[in-house]
Amino acid sequence: SQQGEEDPQALSIQEGENATMNCSYKTSINNLQWYRQNSGRGLVHLILIRSNEREKHSGRLRVTLDTSKKSSSLLITASRAADTASYFCAAAYSGYSTLTFGKGTMLLVSP
Amino acid sequence: GAGVSQSPRYKVTKRGQDVALRCDPISGHVSLYWYRQALGQGPEFLTYFNYEAQQDKSGLPNDRFSAERPEGSISTLTIQRTEQRDSAMYRCASSLEGAPIRGTEAFFGQGTRLTVV
Repeated sequence: SQQGEEDPQALSIQEGENATMNCSYKTSINNLQWYRQNSGRGLVHLILIRSNEREKHSGRLRVTLDTSKKSSSLLITASRAADTASYFCAAAYSGYSTLTFGKGTMLLVSP
Repeated sequence: GAGVSQSPRYKVTKRGQDVALRCDPISGHVSLYWYRQALGQGPEFLTYFNYEAQQDKSGLPNDRFSAERPEGSISTLTIQRTEQRDSAMYRCASSLEGAPIRGTEAFFGQGTRLTVV
């Protein structure tokens, strides 16, 4: 299996704090994507970073990619209670036309 | 439709019964994917289609699982002779063709929660 790993598995923070989640993957990628899953809802795409990019921003989200370490990080700044969800990284491996998801990080943001 | 629609949302079936899960993708999306997600885990790839052609079924766990997309739109995932270990959330996603490689996103439905008793 090429399924990657996220860490931590669970993260609990207070509103206003920053949350950092990490993802490792196995082999070369075309891009890496992050998705959010709220309780009882579907997966929602957050941000995508291509293999030739090192950092990308979208609102309060910042994602980095280190291809030498085969890892990525998602930073959520100034977190809100509404950010409470599970976050998954998904790798688009070279030569494959599908996404391979990690096991996810469960984020709890307390008011 | 506005998004990917899956039905039913919840399905409880007795062991040994066959079930059919339906996915209605976003209009115009060429690619359609099926994933299975166990509780506390990430989605696991099952199979995907471009138009009506099944491009990759390497993720289907055994021959009790099959999928079709006969007219290149709606897809059905069928599980025959269900077993308790088949209980999971089954997710469908659609996208423009070659989305993962081209760097565009996939849109997921709400999923079908299958429980085999």
